[in-house]
Amino acid sequence: NAGVMQNPRHLVRRRGQEARLRCSPMKGHSHVYWYRQLPEEGLKFMVYLQKENIIDESGMPKERFSAEFPKEGPSILRIQQVVRGDSAAYFCASSSEDRGYNEQFFGPGTRLTVL
Amino acid sequence: KQEVTQIPAALSVPEGENLVLNCSFTDSAIYNLQWFRQDPGKGLTSLLLIQSSQREQTSGRLNASLDKSSGRSTLYIAASQPGDSATYLCGASNTGKLIFGQGTTLQVKP
Repeated sequence: NAGVMQNPRHLVRRRGQEARLRCSPMKGHSHVYWYRQLPEEGLKFMVYLQKENIIDESGMPKERFSAEFPKEGPSILRIQQVVRGDSAAYFCASSSEDRGYNEQFFGPGTRLTVL
Repeated sequence: KQEVTQIPAALSVPEGENLVLNCSFTDSAIYNLQWFRQDPGKGLTSLLLIQSSQREQTSGRLNASLDKSSGRSTLYIAASQPGDSATYLCGASNTGKLIFGQGTTLQVKP
């Protein structure tokens, strides 16, 4: 059973460009979470999605950031007009509703560098 | 608002020593608490999950406890090995999202 997959693993963008980060959850998982780890800071929650629904986006910056988890295909975290402060590691996690609790399993992350 | 604190921030021990990592949280209305390890430049590996109705979980040399009334969880590592060197994170979950502490960076010296 493959784990959570994220791509690309490394992404370099220039200021003003768009960044698209992809996450494929574990097989059978219908819940996806995105977290951001800034240099020298802890891991911060961004958004929680189920298929075709955003459940909690309380950690998402108000502008330039969006996320989706379509019926088919991976979850996408999109950052428009990137700035240097967006440079960070972005992690995706997934969980199932199996047994009524949500143990989260993390992917290897996408390391975004904004030049 | 949930806040999670981990102490110490860093710990260095000789191989073979037993050790305890601490995690405290401010809101006791958690659904579960999860311990992870993170190696440099890597993702998070789930170690143990404790549901709110449980008091402890064990996996091999690891034992995690949960005391909701005091807002504390501990991760006990027995007979530490150099391969245990990593950053250990605890995450408290209520309403789905995990709120993380800053982590404890552990170094086990041969």
